[in-house]
Amino acid sequence: QVTLKESGPGILQPSQTLSLTCSFSGFSLSTYGMCVGWIRQSSGKGLEWLANIWWNDDKYYNPSLKNRLTISKDTSNNQAFLKITNMDTADTATYYCARRGTEASGYFDYWGQGVMVTVSS
Amino acid sequence: DTVLTQSPALAVSPGERVSISCRASEGVNSYMHWYQQKPGQQPKLLIYKASNLASGVPARFSGSGSGTDFTLTIDPVEADDTATYFCQQSWNDPYTFGAGTKLELK
Repeated sequence: QVTLKESGPGILQPSQTLSLTCSFSGFSLSTYGMCVGWIRQSSGKGLEWLANIWWNDDKYYNPSLKNRLTISKDTSNNQAFLKITNMDTADTATYYCARRGTEASGYFDYWGQGVMVTVSS
Repeated sequence: DTVLTQSPALAVSPGERVSISCRASEGVNSYMHWYQQKPGQQPKLLIYKASNLASGVPARFSGSGSGTDFTLTIDPVEADDTATYFCQQSWNDPYTFGAGTKLELK
């Protein structure tokens, strides 16, 4: 059974760095072909894909945010991480981690419940 | 970025057939996927790669299309299908999502 769960600070101030953790079970990010992504959802911009990290440590970022994003993983502890620097009120959103589907087609077949992040002074 | 355009809302009666459209601003081959999201929940995969039913999804859901025009069909619609439906493409970088179609039951 595949499950994912996000954790994060909840609230942070503008210009701070957001650190998110995705803890998952039911699969391993050391297995060939596996990939975990981060997606956020805000009332203003809807669903927005942020980044993917692959089993071989390849990383892909949304170009619109690339200079602010860092994705990483801890395979031994079944976790993936996302850092976003210089947070702004526009980054207020629910942040999801999700497993990329195994059919190599770019869809996400399992999602975490999401973590709400509010940026406010 | 590839823009995916969806109708904002639809209202149908239980038992009817409904088609939800998604139009891409450029070709995405068959790399279009559909999700259902209910209030307070995470998105749930329904259809991947245009027409493939995800595991555990009822056969009332189906998908079609290729290139720039795609359709998610629910037949027959049930009360539990009240939700917002999103399309997502993964052919062009970056992945993008539609704004969603809110399905309401009469």
